[in-house]
Amino acid sequence: DAGVIQSPRHEVTEMGQEVTLRCKPISGHDYLFWYRQTMMRGLELLIYFNNNVPIDDSGMPEDRFSAKMPNASFSTLKIQPSEPRDSAVYFCASSPSGELFFGEGSRLTVL
Amino acid sequence: AQSVTQLDSQVPVFEEAPVELRCNYSSSVSVYLFWYVQYPNQGLQLLLKYLSGSTLVKGINGFEAEFNKSQTSFHLRKPSVHISDTAEYFCAVSPQGGSEKLVFGKGTKLTVNP
Repeated sequence: DAGVIQSPRHEVTEMGQEVTLRCKPISGHDYLFWYRQTMMRGLELLIYFNNNVPIDDSGMPEDRFSAKMPNASFSTLKIQPSEPRDSAVYFCASSPSGELFFGEGSRLTVL
Repeated sequence: AQSVTQLDSQVPVFEEAPVELRCNYSSSVSVYLFWYVQYPNQGLQLLLKYLSGSTLVKGINGFEAEFNKSQTSFHLRKPSVHISDTAEYFCAVSPQGGSEKLVFGKGTKLTVNP
């Protein structure tokens, strides 16, 4: 398997623009997680899904953030409108149970 | 709820020296414990995990960790480090038989100098 695939790897946008980050989990993994990593806050769990259903979105910072998982092989994290404080590396991870497998991350810069 | 404290934010060592990265956790229930490593510009990958059984856990790249329930610790050790071990290391905890959520510590940046 190719592992967890995220796109884009780098995104530079201007404040107010919509940003969509994409994730393809490892086939057969029932869980999918979205994390955000910053120098100040470290790794923060934003939301996770089990069998495509959102289980816990308590980490989603604001209504500007939304995540979907329309099927077992695809998930999106959307920020609308984006703000400079959203600049971070966003990681997607999938899991069969227990151990997380991370993608390489999407580095977002909002100017 | 669980929490993780990594006591050192940065650890510089010389090549071939031993290293210990400290991790303490807090939980009202039994837990699973993990160490992950993050190389520059990459995602995290699992080094080792403690689920049950022997409290000394061996992982990849010569790392090992010991679970100490009385001290609520899970320190990571390597007897002789290499330049290639330079990375950030994260300790994480999750409740046994509960949520799949992992709670991560803030990370320890290990720098191995020649």
